Amino acid sequence: GDKVKQSPSALSLQEGTNSALRCNFSIAATTVQWFLQNPRGSLINLFYLVPGTKENGRLKSAFDSKESYSTLHIRDAQLEDSGTYFCAAPTGGYKVVFGSGTRLLVSP
Amino acid sequence: EAAVTQSPRNKVTVTGGNVTLSCRQTNSHNYMYWYRQDTGHGLRLIHYSYGAGNLQIGDVPDGYKATRTTQEDFFLLLELASPSQTSLYFCASSGTGGRYAEQFFGPGTRLTVL
Repeated sequence: GDKVKQSPSALSLQEGTNSALRCNFSIAATTVQWFLQNPRGSLINLFYLVPGTKENGRLKSAFDSKESYSTLHIRDAQLEDSGTYFCAAPTGGYKVVFGSGTRLLVSP
Repeated sequence: EAAVTQSPRNKVTVTGGNVTLSCRQTNSHNYMYWYRQDTGHGLRLIHYSYGAGNLQIGDVPDGYKATRTTQEDFFLLLELASPSQTSLYFCASSGTGGRYAEQFFGPGTRLTVL
């Protein structure tokens, strides 16, 4: 089965609204990384987390290693937030496994 | 200045052709990775390396070779390309120590095998 499950798989938001994306882990994740793949295909680093929370502008992420999940909250969504969001976690050694992504479309 | 670069950015070849994808990182990282990205599969690890001359097998290695010639340079080789290898390929690097699992990606190479 999937070691990293992301939900939802797709999401549509209106500008100015809020939402939350989630990653559930079936591995003993010690860290999590969140990326945005923009419509041009580039992978942009958003957060790298140990257990706890981080905030950057309208984005906030939390990671609970005991409950094996991480969340990414988007506040006041903007058109430029559109793209696919991935989370990733190490599986042991220096290998990392990725979720299948959440496709986000923000509309005016 | 971009810390992980890839070339070419786009490549078209025919079935049975020879392709080399190049990656260079200036992060002074020990680890480098090659992934492929296909719709519905996210990113899947092909090969990775922890230093010059080292190669580790990833999760989807069949049909691919790789070589790490220096700390900076990591190459992915497709010696008999097949249409199933049409994909978006990403190179990444990561360091060691406390942030060992933090990956930094290149811009990607779109490969089409006709």
